[in-house]
Amino acid sequence: AQSVTQPDIHITVSEGASLELRCNYSYGATPYLFWYVQSPGQGLQLLLKYFSGDTLVQGIKGFEAEFKRSQSSFNLRKPSVHWSDAAEYFCAVGAGSNTGKLIFGQGTTLQVKP
Amino acid sequence: GAVVSQHPSRVICKSGTSVKIECRSLDFQATTMFWYRQFPKQSLMLMATSNEGSKATYEQGVEKDKFLINHASLTLSTLTVTSAHPEDSSFYICSARATAEQYFGPGTRLTVT
Repeated sequence: AQSVTQPDIHITVSEGASLELRCNYSYGATPYLFWYVQSPGQGLQLLLKYFSGDTLVQGIKGFEAEFKRSQSSFNLRKPSVHWSDAAEYFCAVGAGSNTGKLIFGQGTTLQVKP
Repeated sequence: GAVVSQHPSRVICKSGTSVKIECRSLDFQATTMFWYRQFPKQSLMLMATSNEGSKATYEQGVEKDKFLINHASLTLSTLTVTSAHPEDSSFYICSARATAEQYFGPGTRLTVT
C-alpha cells in the first residue's frame, strides 16, 4: 500500500539558516510527489511537484526538492529560511495514475527563531 | 490562480443534528472534488472522492450514510454530517481538481457539543 512518512514532527531553525524537511514514500510505480504548506486559516498551498524528468524540482517561495528513487525520498529544502516560512508542511504522493487521490504524510511543523 | 472556498469556516452544532459544508470552485470548473478530514496535529485523511453528477466514492472505513456527499454542479460539492456526535468534531477540508492540479479550500472547523 502507498504511504508517506515525514520523520520529523517538529523542526526549529533560525531565520536565515538552511532547511531540509524529510519525506519518504512507499509506492509501487513511479510516484507523483507533492509538497504542500498549510498556514492557519488558509488552504493548503502547493509548493512544488514531481511527475517525471529532472529530479531536482524548483518551487515557489524559494523551495526546492529532490526526488531520489534509490532512497524513496523527496526532501524539501530551502537555503535561507524566513520567519514567514513558519507553517505546517505536508508531503504527499498521488495514489493512482489519474485518480487525483493524494496520500499525505503526517506533516512537519516548522518553527522559525528570530 | 484557482480559488476554492468553503462555507462555513467554523460551525458548532449540538449532538444529533446535521451540518452541511459547502465547497466551491470560484473561478474554474472541477469535475472532481475531494473531501479530507484532519485531526489536530495530524495529517489529512481522504474521506471520499466526489465526481460531478455521480455518486461519491468513499474510502474504506468512512460511513457513507453518515457523511453524505453531493456534487450537483461543476463548481459545488457539499458534505453533510448527519446525526453528528462529538467524535465527528474535526477540521474538514475539500479540494477541487482542475486538470492535473488540486486546489484546496481553507477548511471548516466542526465542533459538536
